[in-house]
Amino acid sequence: SQQGEEDPQALSIQEGENATMNCSYKTSINNLQWYRQNSGRGLVHLILIRSNEREKHSGRLRVTLDTSKKSSSLLITASRAADTASYFCATVPSNDYKLSFGAGTTVTVRA
Amino acid sequence: KAGVTQTPRYLIKTRGQQVTLSCSPISGHRSVSWYQQTPGQGLQFLFEYFSETQRNKGNFPGRFSGRQFSNSRSEMNVSTLELGDSALYLCASSPGGTSLGDEQFFGPGTRLTVL
Repeated sequence: SQQGEEDPQALSIQEGENATMNCSYKTSINNLQWYRQNSGRGLVHLILIRSNEREKHSGRLRVTLDTSKKSSSLLITASRAADTASYFCATVPSNDYKLSFGAGTTVTVRA
Repeated sequence: KAGVTQTPRYLIKTRGQQVTLSCSPISGHRSVSWYQQTPGQGLQFLFEYFSETQRNKGNFPGRFSGRQFSNSRSEMNVSTLELGDSALYLCASSPGGTSLGDEQFFGPGTRLTVL
């Protein structure tokens, strides 16, 4: 079963705009990770945020975590065509090793 | 460092056959995890190996098995293939050790089609 659920399922934006997607999860976590997948290929790790962190930045990416609401958001600023991909959140439960992935958000960036 | 490699990249089998997929992790990584990705079920965890021992297992039938060798390379095997086993099988490696939920480095996947 999937721990995380992303919202929206799909997003279409113009190049240069910002894209925001959200992830909600069910149980307490050790950390939450965001991954990108281009067209049925392997996943690429974007950012990891630990349960005691509230916000993290990496280049044009900003991730927030609200453990009280069991939710996270990923913001991509100044989007580019190369950002077109599916984005997945993955949670690591507090007492476990395995990643549990959400269904993903498909982002399309129009030129 | 070379990334995670998976072989073969594409595979076509018929129902009832068995299949073995191979994964070579990043040099120095001791943990290897396997995932199944399908349009209907999404990304699902199969199992994780660390230092040749299965450390964690997902909710898959016994037809799915795996192993890890002393050089950290891993194989997964699916016996008595069913149509529903058609999927992208992804392998991921991480340094492992005592860290819970390390960043995972994924391979390109093996696309299995069962006819």
